Amino acid sequence: DIQMTQSPSSLSASVGDRVTITCRASQGISNFLAWYQQKPGKVPKLLIYAASTLQSGVPSRFSGSGSGTDFTLTITSLQPEDVATYYCQKYNSAPWTFGQGTKVEIK
Amino acid sequence: EAQLVESGGGLVQPGGSLRLSCAASGFTFRSYSMNWVRQAPGKGLEWVSYISSTSSAISYIDSVKGRFTISRDNAKDSLYLQMNSLKAEDTAVYYCARDRCVSTSCGLDIWGQGTMVTVSS
Repeated sequence: DIQMTQSPSSLSASVGDRVTITCRASQGISNFLAWYQQKPGKVPKLLIYAASTLQSGVPSRFSGSGSGTDFTLTITSLQPEDVATYYCQKYNSAPWTFGQGTKVEIK
Repeated sequence: EAQLVESGGGLVQPGGSLRLSCAASGFTFRSYSMNWVRQAPGKGLEWVSYISSTSSAISYIDSVKGRFTISRDNAKDSLYLQMNSLKAEDTAVYYCARDRCVSTSCGLDIWGQGTMVTVSS
């Protein structure tokens, strides 16, 4: 099975900072990748699918890029409401594996 | 508004069984693939199972194959997960989640609030 590895596992940044989270697949998955945000105590929310397509209603400060094995989620200007754990998920073939998550905090 | 509501969780002894249900509303259930995703306490998300809109395609994570069965009733706008031979490591919040696509997975855009399953003696 293809493994999904996120880095870093956690980060602390200041409001307004640019934040980048990386997701690496152990084999190529084309652009079959989604990103989710899970705020503390809340249900996961789809942010991005097809590696770079923003889900409706998601703020434009979120963006995704990558193809093949290496993907990134970028928050261009971190806001207090962005405190959450972020997960990537591959869906090129079963199992639709999630990454282990990246916890984002405000410094 | 699209909504998913899970039920059926609870405390069960190792080796026992539970049947989770997920009631859909606010969208055309039969037009979407569906998934179960779980999250153990303090841990990350783990995809468990997938079923296509017509039930023609079904997938499971290896750790539940032969023990869990996903099914759906499009006439009742409902998704199910029959869980047998439960183990302590199955303890988690179980979410039902709608897939954006009809016959394959391409991102989970609607999630229920989750139902807690605790496997313990």
